[in-house]
Amino acid sequence: EADIYQTPRYLVIGTGKKITLECSQTMGHDKMYWYQQDPGMELHLIHYSYGVNSTEKGDLSSESTVSRIRTEHFPLTLESARPSHTSQYLCASSEPKGYKGDEQFFGPGTRLTVL
Amino acid sequence: SQKIEQNSEALNIQEGKTATLTCNYTNYSPAYLQWYRQDPGRGPVFLLLIRENEKEKRKERLKVTFDTTLKQSLFHITASQPADSATYLCALHNSNSGYALNFGKGTSLLVTP
Repeated sequence: EADIYQTPRYLVIGTGKKITLECSQTMGHDKMYWYQQDPGMELHLIHYSYGVNSTEKGDLSSESTVSRIRTEHFPLTLESARPSHTSQYLCASSEPKGYKGDEQFFGPGTRLTVL
Repeated sequence: SQKIEQNSEALNIQEGKTATLTCNYTNYSPAYLQWYRQDPGRGPVFLLLIRENEKEKRKERLKVTFDTTLKQSLFHITASQPADSATYLCALHNSNSGYALNFGKGTSLLVTP
């Protein structure tokens, strides 16, 4: 079992609310990622970080923002949630072992529903 | 554009048989390829990584092949069990974003007793 945690696991909120999805890992990994996944669809990278104070946007355009103030913590924030944000959000981390793209450890995900 | 294609149809097999899943890719020059397992409502779990200079990799009942000429990887589960029922994802390095991965949609495997 990977030591990467996400809270909440499920969230139902109304349109216009500000929300923060939490992700923490205890493995000391420098690299962390956020993916978005709709049912039956592939994961899409929305944000990633190479380490503290490093954040980048992924391929999928997202209205969310992230921060990386501590190595173990990589929260994702939506300033004003909309129904189009309804999806599953997966956090992951990895630690290079000398070659690119080493195995990623995923959290259990947050299932977000915006009404 | 880069594409990762996996069988969209679910694969149903009988317990004890070998399951074979396919991953094809275009516009990648991967140094490696990864396979993950995903159960409903959960995050993916890493299974195997195979490098471009490796034709085959094994781990217990799992076997992965990697043909960079055909741009294809095959994922085999031998002596399949109902507990192997899950969605299996193929992943390749995302060249635009450092160490991140691009994933296929996955193939759903159902093993019946």
